[in-house]
Amino acid sequence: EAGVVQSPRYKIIEKKQPVAFWCNPISGHNTLYWYLQNLGQGPELLIRYENEEAVDDSQLPKDRFSAERLKGVDSTLKIQPAELGDSAVYLCASSAYNQETQYFGPGTRLLVL
Amino acid sequence: ELKVEQNPLFLSMQEGKNYTIYCNYSTTSDRLYWYRQDPGKSLESLFVLLSNGAVKQEGRLMASLDTKARLSTLHITAAVHDLSATYFCAVDSNFGNEKLTFGTGTRLTIIP
Repeated sequence: EAGVVQSPRYKIIEKKQPVAFWCNPISGHNTLYWYLQNLGQGPELLIRYENEEAVDDSQLPKDRFSAERLKGVDSTLKIQPAELGDSAVYLCASSAYNQETQYFGPGTRLLVL
Repeated sequence: ELKVEQNPLFLSMQEGKNYTIYCNYSTTSDRLYWYRQDPGKSLESLFVLLSNGAVKQEGRLMASLDTKARLSTLHITAAVHDLSATYFCAVDSNFGNEKLTFGTGTRLTIIP
């Protein structure tokens, strides 16, 4: 079974530029999560989708961050404009309905210069 | 606001020794998760603990949950180098809706 796929794996941009991350969850998983992981810390939830509906986006900084999950499968997380403090690893995870475990992708490591 | 604390934050131990990582959390929850993360890699699920008194074991790792004390432990028996990684506990703060709050992690280094 293929795992959660994320791209790109690494991204370096200058501040004020836009950036987008893509996630393809495990086939059949209806729940998708985006997490932010700063260096030396645990992941923090940004947004959770149930199918195509964002059911929890309370931690998403909506002034610069946006996300979408069209058709309830793949998802894109966007930052516009990026700031220096956005440098971190962005993790995508997915889980199946009524399944306890979240499966994480390899993450996108963002560096904002 | 749910807070999840792990200790120690850093642990260096010799091969063959036993040790325990502690995870305390601040509000009621009966679901706790342990994950492992290798440097530069993603998180790998180790254990899911779903009730008070739950105990799960896999190889040299054993996890337990005491919901009354709001405490989970990850016990390492006869450590080997391959167990070197960062270990995170995470608590489901939304009663089954899988809104996980992670601890800061314990970076474990096993010395030959």
